[in-house]
Amino acid sequence: KNQVEQSPQSLIILEGKNCTLQCNYTVSPFSNLRWYKQDTGRGPVSLTIMTFSENTKSNGRYTATLDADTKQSSLHITASQLSDSASYICVVSDRGSTLGRLYFGRGTQLTVWP
Amino acid sequence: EADIYQTPRYLVIGTGKKITLECSQTMGHDKMYWYQQDPGMELHLIHYSYGVNSTEKGDLSSESTVSRIRTEHFPLTLESARPSHTSQYLCASSDGVGQVDTQYFGPGTRLTVL
Repeated sequence: KNQVEQSPQSLIILEGKNCTLQCNYTVSPFSNLRWYKQDTGRGPVSLTIMTFSENTKSNGRYTATLDADTKQSSLHITASQLSDSASYICVVSDRGSTLGRLYFGRGTQLTVWP
Repeated sequence: EADIYQTPRYLVIGTGKKITLECSQTMGHDKMYWYQQDPGMELHLIHYSYGVNSTEKGDLSSESTVSRIRTEHFPLTLESARPSHTSQYLCASSDGVGQVDTQYFGPGTRLTVL
């Protein structure tokens, strides 16, 4: 069964600290992996997208890594800010259909305290 | 920020009422999607469209229906709302080009059925 598992479920850190969120997946075949940020009451916004051949991608203070062999990804947030408080969702796409079906994780709820 | 809009943002309605959730995008995207998301849970695809006059059911069974008469418009209708329909509904669109096909999400409609 194709699945996307994220950990931790929730995380609280102090402003200015770094943190790393994890994503493990069993989706096969694999096309790409995306990290989205979803603010409370809003739709998800894409942060990074990585294909099979990419093992790291940065977007400002966000750096995503991908190990396609172990089917693991991480999202590292550097020097956290209060505005980083949100749910971070890992999404994996397969090549099994013309739609390129997306498999969503449940997200990690990050709270940044001042 | 993506040019995709949803109305209403919040809706509280009684059981048995007919409702239509609106979704519009100004990016000229052919592909559009409706997702359902409960708190702390992953997004579930309930409908999608490849283009005008094309609609398909998604992975999660839903009593809702959709139409795609114009490229920019993808409304979702519930003929008779029930409390089990209480959820957040997210609309998304994508240009469907290449291996990496980013979906842009609207802000969502929070539906409560009493």
